[in-house]
Amino acid sequence: NAGVMQNPRHLVRRRGQEARLRCSPMKGHSHVYWYRQLPEEGLKFMVYLQKENIIDESGMPKERFSAEFPKEGPSILRIQQVVRGDSAAYFCASSLDLPNEQFFGPGTRLTVL
Amino acid sequence: AQTVTQSQPEMSVQEAETVTLSCTYDTSENNYYLFWYKQPPSRQMILVIRQEAYKQQNATENRFSVNFQKAAKSFSLKISDSQLGDTAMYFCAFLIYYGATNKLIFGTGTLLAVQP
Repeated sequence: NAGVMQNPRHLVRRRGQEARLRCSPMKGHSHVYWYRQLPEEGLKFMVYLQKENIIDESGMPKERFSAEFPKEGPSILRIQQVVRGDSAAYFCASSLDLPNEQFFGPGTRLTVL
Repeated sequence: AQTVTQSQPEMSVQEAETVTLSCTYDTSENNYYLFWYKQPPSRQMILVIRQEAYKQQNATENRFSVNFQKAAKSFSLKISDSQLGDTAMYFCAFLIYYGATNKLIFGTGTLLAVQP
């Protein structure tokens, strides 16, 4: 059973460009979570999605950030008009049901030049 | 507010020795889960151990065990017979699940170095 997949593993963008981060949950998991880890810090919750629904986006910045988890395909975290402060590791996690442990992907390291 | 506090930014232990990492949390909820995650240099988040708040018995997983003190809101991790591969950042995390919320709140981490 493959784990949580994230791609790309590394992404470099210039200021003002868009960043798209993809996450495929573990097989059978319908709950997806995105976390951000700034340098030298712990992970901070951003958003929790189920298929086609955003359940909790209390950790998402109000502007430039959006997330989706369509009926078919991976979950996408989109950052528009990136700034240097967006440079971080973005982790996706999935769970089978609630409440339950969350399994993490390897992360996407975003660097904004 | 739900918070997790790890008061030890860095710790060091000799190989084969035992080390305890501390964690305290704050919540008004009665039902929750607590976890310890390990993040080695590869940056992958690896689940080490979990504890359900309604269980009084402390969780154990091979060389890893916890001391869960619900009244004190304390959740420490004990690593016995430390190995070089245990060198990593360790995060304590608290799972909130009520209503439509199901999210992990992480501490700031403890960097553990196992010395040969």
